[in-house]
Amino acid sequence: SQTIHQWPATLVQPVGSPLSLECTVEGTSNPNLYWYRQAAGRGLQLLFYSIGIGQISSEVPQNLSASRPQDRQFILSSKKLLLSDSGFYLCAWGGLAGGSETQYFGPGTRLLVL
Amino acid sequence: SQQGEEDPQALSIQEGENATMNCSYKTSINNLQWYRQNSGRGLVHLILIRSNEREKHSGRLRVTLDTSKKSSSLLITASRAADTASYFCATAGGFKTIFGAGTRLFVKA
Repeated sequence: SQTIHQWPATLVQPVGSPLSLECTVEGTSNPNLYWYRQAAGRGLQLLFYSIGIGQISSEVPQNLSASRPQDRQFILSSKKLLLSDSGFYLCAWGGLAGGSETQYFGPGTRLLVL
Repeated sequence: SQQGEEDPQALSIQEGENATMNCSYKTSINNLQWYRQNSGRGLVHLILIRSNEREKHSGRLRVTLDTSKKSSSLLITASRAADTASYFCATAGGFKTIFGAGTRLFVKA
């Protein structure tokens, strides 16, 4: 069966520090991968998605970037965090190549930038 | 802008009552999905309804879709305290799935 992992679970970082959040998927090949951000009590904002290794689409211009160095690894990064980067970051993988069927979410990383 | 918008934003009911949540969207869709999120956790997929379907059931869940009105509803029957969570609709097109802001459901025991 497929599983998706995210780490760390919680992170407190000072403004201006770098960020690296990692997401890995097991039990599936060539998944579509997604990074979302959720502000407290709000919906999900799509940040990046990837349909293959090295293929990244950005939805929102900001100081974040994403990379997919391996088929089942998706990394969210920042060189300098802003206060507004605080939130709950969710990684997800999509079921069907070329489509956007059911998405399966990781447990999330709660980021607090101080 | 977000594709799906849920209504109401928050809903508080007694255990045993039915809960109805609505979702409206703006453009053509391939399918519409409902997800559940417990506080501080990831989202869990509940049900998917395709654009050529009008109604779908899964256990205590009933979803309807009206593509002419660009709207969907999620009905949870005989609610339980464990149903307390946020519920999101999501619309799919191409590679992307767009989520609404969610309905926060609180079921009182």
